[in-house]
Amino acid sequence: AQSVSQHNHHVILSEAASLELGCNYSYGGTVNLFWYVQYPGQHLQLLLKYFSGDPLVKGIKGFEAEFIKSKFSFNLRKPSVQWSDTAEYFCAVNAGRGSTLGRLYFGRGTQLTVWP
Amino acid sequence: NAGVTQTPKFQVLKTGQSMTLQCAQDMNHNSMYWYRQDPGMGLRLIYYSASEGTTDKGEVPNGYNVSRLNKREFSLRLESAAPSQTSVYFCASRGISVGYNEQFFGPGTRLTVL
Repeated sequence: AQSVSQHNHHVILSEAASLELGCNYSYGGTVNLFWYVQYPGQHLQLLLKYFSGDPLVKGIKGFEAEFIKSKFSFNLRKPSVQWSDTAEYFCAVNAGRGSTLGRLYFGRGTQLTVWP
Repeated sequence: NAGVTQTPKFQVLKTGQSMTLQCAQDMNHNSMYWYRQDPGMGLRLIYYSASEGTTDKGEVPNGYNVSRLNKREFSLRLESAAPSQTSVYFCASRGISVGYNEQFFGPGTRLTVL
């Protein structure tokens, strides 16, 4: 089975600080990579995704992520966070035998708290 | 488009009771999924249905059953609820598009088993 590791369980930042959330996965073949966000009391929404091509992916709300194949990583970044970015962030991978069936493997999530 | 809808939004059960969580999507998606979300555990796949008429176990299927009633609907049943099944349950769906695997999530059902 795939494993997805998110290194930071809880990140606390002040507004305007820069953000980087780590994500590593265990599969060595072709992967599709996702970052989802869950605002308090809401369902998961897609922030950005990587399938192929440019390893630097831009998503909504100023977020971006870089796929580094040699490091099996897909870290999420934002240059300047806002209070409204307070949420839980999930990295997810689609790969291997489950890929054609659309199975996603999720990390445990990182809770981001931004102080105004 | 309502997207993915789930009912109920909240439910409290006693140990041993049964219930069915309903999920429907209006995006003409082929694949549907049930996840549970627990603090510090992320989302774990319970069951999924790659297409109408098929279902498969995910990571944590024990204690659950599913029915893919038609293309739109995918229900999750707890036959005899246990406190360990206290969780938030999310349904998701996925369409078919070349190289495209995004899943769309419903609003969730918060279930408490006493």
